[in-house]
Amino acid sequence: GEDVEQSLFLSVREGDSSVINCTYTDSSSTYLYWYKQEPGAGLQLLTYIFSNMDMKQDQRLTVLLNKKDKHLSLRIADTQTGDSAIYFCAERGMNTGFQKLVFGTGTRLLVSP
Amino acid sequence: NAGVTQTPKFQVLKTGQSMTLQCAQDMNHNSMYWYRQDPGMGLRLIYYSASEGTTDKGEVPNGYNVSRLNKREFSLRLESAAPSQTSVYFCASSPSFDEQYFGPGTRLTVT
Repeated sequence: GEDVEQSLFLSVREGDSSVINCTYTDSSSTYLYWYKQEPGAGLQLLTYIFSNMDMKQDQRLTVLLNKKDKHLSLRIADTQTGDSAIYFCAERGMNTGFQKLVFGTGTRLLVSP
Repeated sequence: NAGVTQTPKFQVLKTGQSMTLQCAQDMNHNSMYWYRQDPGMGLRLIYYSASEGTTDKGEVPNGYNVSRLNKREFSLRLESAAPSQTSVYFCASSPSFDEQYFGPGTRLTVT
């Protein structure tokens, strides 16, 4: 089956930028998502990008997509302690059944003061 | 507007016991999903329901059954719980091929 991979852990200082990376295998991928999970809670959608886009910016969040390399990244500018959470990359495409999302393992972001 | 609600929040079962996890959404969404979350493995899809009256297997359906009772409710049943089913279970809903909205999760321990 198709796969989505992320590094497990990232540590940054408050005020720095954070970059969380994701790679995927589904060549038919149409939508790619970033979800955030705070402790003890469900996942919340942060942002998403269509596969025909290279970049999307939403306030402090910048998503970059390299479709050739099947690489997605999420940049958080001016990272705050409240950004500490687990961030999941997910993709949807024809190869995975268009109604389903395939999630990565999640990257735990720790922001220190 | 409560979004997606799940009950119970926590549950401890003995091996072999059965239970049903309940999920309801008040957003009039067509699609509903059940995931399990295990450390280092992300979210894995157990079952989903694209619309009322239909259900389909996901990545890890063995040991589970589901019922789409109506458009609002989608339940997950463990007929004979096993320690390997210790996990956090999330229900989600979606209007169609779109953003998924997640419930707060049920933490299940099977001893």
